[in-house]
Amino acid sequence: QQPVQSPQAVILREGEDAVINCSSSKALYSVHWYRQKHGEAPVFLMILLKGGEQKGHEKISASFNEKKQQSSLYLTASQLSYSGTYFCGTGGGSNTGKLIFGQGTTLQVKP
Amino acid sequence: DSGVTQTPKHLITATGQRVTLRCSPRSGDLSVYWYQQSLDQGLQFLIQYYNGEERAKGNILERFSAQQFPDLHSELNLSSLELGDSALYFCASSVDSPYNTGELFFGEGSRLTVL
Repeated sequence: QQPVQSPQAVILREGEDAVINCSSSKALYSVHWYRQKHGEAPVFLMILLKGGEQKGHEKISASFNEKKQQSSLYLTASQLSYSGTYFCGTGGGSNTGKLIFGQGTTLQVKP
Repeated sequence: DSGVTQTPKHLITATGQRVTLRCSPRSGDLSVYWYQQSLDQGLQFLIQYYNGEERAKGNILERFSAQQFPDLHSELNLSSLELGDSALYFCASSVDSPYNTGELFFGEGSRLTVL
């Protein structure tokens, strides 16, 4: 089942902060975050694993609430290079291999 | 450069035809994923292979099939093509463990246009 992202789109000025949310109706074992710039392939940002382990980007942080089946991506002091579409992907339990992405959140950072 | 190679980069064909998209994963990655992205749409999961075996299936049409070969490259076969199959098809590879999906490294995609 596809996770739901909010908001669908965000417009920021450079230096402003943004939060992108991802929620699932199913139990989450891991949450992935990727950014895709127009015309390019998605690029990995972060993985959050059940149990709190987190691996990823040095300037972007995220949280993972297992009980609420939600994750949030925090973009602080945004830069022009942060513009793009952000996708969260949720993985099932062990040995399922399926990584389902949300519909995406488009972020535009203006000077 | 993610290390994942997809060919061809662009493909234009007619309705009713059949095409094969090819993907070479990063060296050492055992998992290959296929995703479909229609114009300005999200990433629709099609299928995943792990070390030669199908591991997970998504919304893949019966007209589509895939396989992963002993050298770990994968092919996605699309047949009886329809206009709606026009999309960007991404392959991604990952170092997965049996318990977790690792980070995905995406290829540049194969853009399919069906006329």
